[in-house]
Amino acid sequence: GAVVSQHPSRVICKSGTSVKIECRSLDFQATTMFWYRQFPKQSLMLMATSNEGSKATYEQGVEKDKFLINHASLTLSTLTVTSAHPEDSSFYICSASHPGGEQYFGPGTRLTVT
Amino acid sequence: DQQVKQNSPSLSVQEGRISILNCDYTNSMFDYFLWYKKYPAEGPTFLISISSIKDKNEDGRFTVFLNKSAKHLSLHIVPSQPGDSAVYFCAANLYNQGGKLIFGQGTELSVKP
Repeated sequence: GAVVSQHPSRVICKSGTSVKIECRSLDFQATTMFWYRQFPKQSLMLMATSNEGSKATYEQGVEKDKFLINHASLTLSTLTVTSAHPEDSSFYICSASHPGGEQYFGPGTRLTVT
Repeated sequence: DQQVKQNSPSLSVQEGRISILNCDYTNSMFDYFLWYKKYPAEGPTFLISISSIKDKNEDGRFTVFLNKSAKHLSLHIVPSQPGDSAVYFCAANLYNQGGKLIFGQGTELSVKP
């Protein structure tokens, strides 16, 4: 199957700092990528849809100024958590839409804000 | 408003027996349903899907059944193996929403040897 990578896999940052998470489709081009967030033992909650070359579409309740998304190329989308707070600690997962229609997920990034 | 629901947070099954994971949904505009398997601290892995125009799709040990009138789908795994132990998520795709998926809460399957 197609491969989607995320970097870093795990990050610890101090409250008030910003953290950037990268999502890459390694062997296909993805015009659309999605960012999810998962709390322990809960569902994956869609945060935003990232479209290459245009602004991201955010789900209701997700602060676009806090979770900055950039989809600068067909293989890379980045999520920047600005002014992170402990409540932003979570597991962030991206997915990329394959041209064949399937959606492939990255391995996730564990963010811990101290 | 939880549009996709998995009401059983966990399921324990003996190796070799059938595992049945259930999922209910509320939005009749969903046109495609998918099942994902997820291990802790990893991203979900696609297992099997079904279009809303079908009522069954089979792939090896995995079969998904869709009952549109009841807005219910289920994943059958037979025979179950210890390596199947993971969290299973059902997800639904909304027609014309660019691939956006709505996930259920997940069911943790434990297959005991």
